[in-house]
Amino acid sequence: NAGVTQTPKFQVLKTGQSMTLQCAQDMNHNSMYWYRQDPGMGLRLIYYSASEGTTDKGEVPNGYNVSRLNKREFSLRLESAAPSQTSVYFCASSEERGTDTQYFGPGTRLTVL
Amino acid sequence: GNSVTQMEGPVTLSEEAFLTINCTYTATGYPSLFWYVQYPGEGLQLLLKATKADDKGSNKGFEATYRKETTSFHLEKGSVQVSDSAVYFCALVGGGSNYKLTFGKGTLLTVNP
Repeated sequence: NAGVTQTPKFQVLKTGQSMTLQCAQDMNHNSMYWYRQDPGMGLRLIYYSASEGTTDKGEVPNGYNVSRLNKREFSLRLESAAPSQTSVYFCASSEERGTDTQYFGPGTRLTVL
Repeated sequence: GNSVTQMEGPVTLSEEAFLTINCTYTATGYPSLFWYVQYPGEGLQLLLKATKADDKGSNKGFEATYRKETTSFHLEKGSVQVSDSAVYFCALVGGGSNYKLTFGKGTLLTVNP
């Protein structure tokens, strides 16, 4: 089992460019999440998907969109990147609700110039 | 809303020292409480959890007890090792949401030989 995988590992964008962060899990989990990690801020939830076909906003959704492509995959899209979106992005999954253990991917380090 | 406050770091200890990282929370209802650990360059992984009052979570020599009366979930280890050097995050789920993990800001622990 690979667990939760994320691509790419690193990315540098210019302001205004767009990109999609990919996430996949092979644990047959129903719920998936996108977080961003900033120094001194802990992790903050961007979007989550409680089950296939549903998505909901988290704490900091502005500037992002998500797609739950199927049960395995949950992508995060930045339509027009801004320097404030420079961060480390983590995808996670859990069996059902957040009260279940969430399993995290290795992260994507994004820099927006 | 929900919030988690954990002690500011960084914390620097010598090998075999006793570790305490304080964590207190604010939430409505009966949240589930977690400690996650992030080793350098990696994603987060669950260290331990407790889902109801007076439960004790334990793993790898670490312990934390869910204290509803003091709204606390302090992390302790009797004898730390160099390999315990990492960032530790206290988190909760519940208080009106079954999906959103709310994290503290993290505490960096460095253990010297």
